[in-house]
Amino acid sequence: DTEVTQTPKHLVMGMTNKKSLKCEQHMGHRAMYWYKQKAKKPPELMFVYSYEKLSINESVPSRFSPECPNSSLLNLHLHALQPEDSALYLCASSQESIAGGTDTQYFGPGTRLTVL
Amino acid sequence: AQKITQTQPGMFVQEKEAVTLDCTYDTSDPSYGLFWYKQPSSGEMIFLIYQGSYDQQNATEGRYSLNFQKARKSANLVISASQLGDSAMYFCAMREGTTSGTYKYIFGTGTRLKVLA
Repeated sequence: DTEVTQTPKHLVMGMTNKKSLKCEQHMGHRAMYWYKQKAKKPPELMFVYSYEKLSINESVPSRFSPECPNSSLLNLHLHALQPEDSALYLCASSQESIAGGTDTQYFGPGTRLTVL
Repeated sequence: AQKITQTQPGMFVQEKEAVTLDCTYDTSDPSYGLFWYKQPSSGEMIFLIYQGSYDQQNATEGRYSLNFQKARKSANLVISASQLGDSAMYFCAMREGTTSGTYKYIFGTGTRLKVLA
């Protein structure tokens, strides 16, 4: 089973709203990722959690706040977003095995976010 | 500097024909992984195939094969017997280590493939 789930599928929010995106995997993966993807562009890495600790923050504005409550769950808290933050937000996970090996990243279906 | 280069923004292929999507990469790390993902219009990124830098043979997964030429730093995806459902965006990606010990996955700009009936 290589399933990563994300909720909600679609989200519309105003610039003053607070909302959260949720991502879950039950593959025993130890690394979880948030990406932002604009139309016709590749995914842009935002955050990486490794063994439940924030390992990489790609200089993401503080209006995006990640959280990893446990090894299976990853949240992205959104506050005071701008219209240009409208995008597809993808979550992914990987085994994070030593020396990489066949370590493969699996993606969830994404959340389409619209900021009005 | 671009680490993953996909030079074909768009490609057309006739149904049942084979098609090759190009990908070149740049790394000084002797240990790396190369991946291809398919992204239909629904948005989900679907893992297709993996090639490790030390693998001696080219990877194959059903109708997908990866033409790995290490000296040329290329990892082209070959799709045989194209189907209408293959129409999608295809991304080449490379896994590389970081100073934090976590892996990052670097993506190319993608190739949009359209299969014609």
